[in-house]
Amino acid sequence: KAGVTQTPRYLIKTRGQQVTLSCSPISGHRSVSWYQQTPGQGLQFLFEYFSETQRNKGNFPGRFSGRQFSNSRSEMNVSTLELGDSALYLCASSLTGSKLSGNTIYFGEGSWLTVV
Amino acid sequence: GDSVTQMEGPVTLSEEAFLTINCTYTATGYPSLFWYVQYPGEGLQLLLKATKADDKGSNKGFEATYRKETTSFHLEKGSVQVSDSAVYFCALMYSGGGADGLTFGKGTHLIIQP
Repeated sequence: KAGVTQTPRYLIKTRGQQVTLSCSPISGHRSVSWYQQTPGQGLQFLFEYFSETQRNKGNFPGRFSGRQFSNSRSEMNVSTLELGDSALYLCASSLTGSKLSGNTIYFGEGSWLTVV
Repeated sequence: GDSVTQMEGPVTLSEEAFLTINCTYTATGYPSLFWYVQYPGEGLQLLLKATKADDKGSNKGFEATYRKETTSFHLEKGSVQVSDSAVYFCALMYSGGGADGLTFGKGTHLIIQP
């Protein structure tokens, strides 16, 4: 079955702009989470959505937001982009997310965002 | 807060050598533990996992045992191949209410030379 699909794979934005990234989870998965990966900070948890509701949120400013649709597809948005937002943004899906012990989380290939 | 510590490398080995990548964690509870692998230009792939103390996860010749007494989850492989060259991440996650996703180590860059 198809894996986690993220679009776009690569994009370049200018400081002050906003960006929307999209994620389609594995069919049947209801949990979608987002992570930011940078060389300096490594992998950091952004937020998790389950059944269209944000269930968990990491320590990021309010410029970072997300949503989940009824078909479990998710989008994340970053407003007023800063140079430091340049990163690989990874989406992950699982059946029930963090609520179930040992639940397997599958990652997409990520969206590479460069802010100039 | 909770954290994961692993050597960052790069770790360079010859093909067929024995591999150990150390991972230790600090946690207030009893999380599940994971190893993920990231090949160049790709996302993360789950390599193996363990959900409770003394569990051993294994996959593709890699193994790791959940050691609660030493708060460790070291990754081992008996004979590495060039194709194992990648970045390896150790991670923990809690289940149940209040969970906040996977907490990752910084990653260990592994280079296998022919």
